[in-house]
Amino acid sequence: KAGVTQTPRYLIKTRGQQVTLSCSPISGHRSVSWYQQTPGQGLQFLFEYFSETQRNKGNFPGRFSGRQFSNSRSEMNVSTLELGDSALYLCASSSYGNTEAFFGQGTRLTVV
Amino acid sequence: DQQVKQNSPSLSVQEGRISILNCDYTNSMFDYFLWYKKYPAEGPTFLISISSIKDKNEDGRFTVFLNKSAKHLSLHIVPSQPGDSAVYFCAASPAGGSNYKLTFGKGTLLTVNP
Repeated sequence: KAGVTQTPRYLIKTRGQQVTLSCSPISGHRSVSWYQQTPGQGLQFLFEYFSETQRNKGNFPGRFSGRQFSNSRSEMNVSTLELGDSALYLCASSSYGNTEAFFGQGTRLTVV
Repeated sequence: DQQVKQNSPSLSVQEGRISILNCDYTNSMFDYFLWYKKYPAEGPTFLISISSIKDKNEDGRFTVFLNKSAKHLSLHIVPSQPGDSAVYFCAASPAGGSNYKLTFGKGTLLTVNP
């Protein structure tokens, strides 16, 4: 069974640009969550999607958005990039009623 | 305000000894707790979890203890092995065991010396 796949693995963007990250969950998992990891703040919850609907949202500005498709794949978008958005972005998937969240390897975003 | 705290940024132990990683939480709505292990440039890997209705859960070399009254949990690794060297994150989820919104501590770097 394939794990959670995130693309791309590494990305370098310039301030002011926008970026889209992709996440393919484990087959059969309908919940996809996104987290941002930075050295100072640790892992912080961004948002969670289930059956194409955003169910939970963390405390991030509106520049951070996401969506989920009918095949459960998810994308997150960050507009008007700032230097502080440089981080490892992690996607996690889980099945309904399961208590474990399985993480992908992450996308390392660097904003210059 | 940090709702999940791992007060030790790092811990160093000898191979074969016990590693004890600690975690405290403040939100009494949390009732499911998980430990993840993370290597650099990889995503966190689930290790072990515990529900608030239990005070202990064991899986091989890993045991998690929960003291609900103290809002404290700990992960014991016995015996510790060099391959256990990684960052360990404690995470908590709200009532119902939902893993959809995990709140993480900032992690403890464990180094197991041969």
